[in-house]
Amino acid sequence: KQEVTQIPAALSVPEGENLVLNCSFTDSAIYNLQWFRQDPGKGLTSLLLIQSSQREQTSGRLNASLDKSSGRSTLYIAASQPGDSATYLCAESNAGGTSYGKLTFGQGTILTVHP
Amino acid sequence: ETGVTQSPTHLIKTRGQQVTLRCSSQSGHNTVSWYQQALGQGPQFIFQYYREEENGRGNFPPRFSGLQFPNYSSELNVNALELDDSALYLCASSFGGSRTGELFFGEGSRLTVL
Repeated sequence: KQEVTQIPAALSVPEGENLVLNCSFTDSAIYNLQWFRQDPGKGLTSLLLIQSSQREQTSGRLNASLDKSSGRSTLYIAASQPGDSATYLCAESNAGGTSYGKLTFGQGTILTVHP
Repeated sequence: ETGVTQSPTHLIKTRGQQVTLRCSSQSGHNTVSWYQQALGQGPQFIFQYYREEENGRGNFPPRFSGLQFPNYSSELNVNALELDDSALYLCASSFGGSRTGELFFGEGSRLTVL
């Protein structure tokens, strides 16, 4: 059974700080890993997707890395802003078997950026 | 480009009732996945539909069922509702069959079971 764990569960930082969110997974046959943002009571917004053959992806102030050997991914947010406050979720998909279309999610990191 | 749309946004049901939730996939996408997200938890995979057939299922009982239509829109049906079915139900669309590419989610349907 694949498991995804996110640390920390909650994080509060002042505006302008650079921060790192951590995601670990047990799946040894990962196909891709996706980071999402979720605002309270809303759906998920895709931030970055890293294929298993890649090591990192960047979009604006966001950078996500993937280390399959250690079962870890990190999401780096540069120069954080109050508008970055949200829950950040990572999710992995398995490369085969009967897990077609299934993403396994972590429980998320609740980020608060205060002015 | 039209994103993923879900309806209704909120609904309240009582135990034992049945509910149908609807999802229109993003333009160009042929695969729809459904997820259940309880408060404070990550989403849990219910099932995926591709070419109008169920193509993968999570650990949910048979009273959770679905349909996909020729235009790729989808329905999630839940029979004999239980209190624990209260959750945000998320629909996601993608392109492709057996491989999960990038998923795009709708805003969800908030179900409350009393």
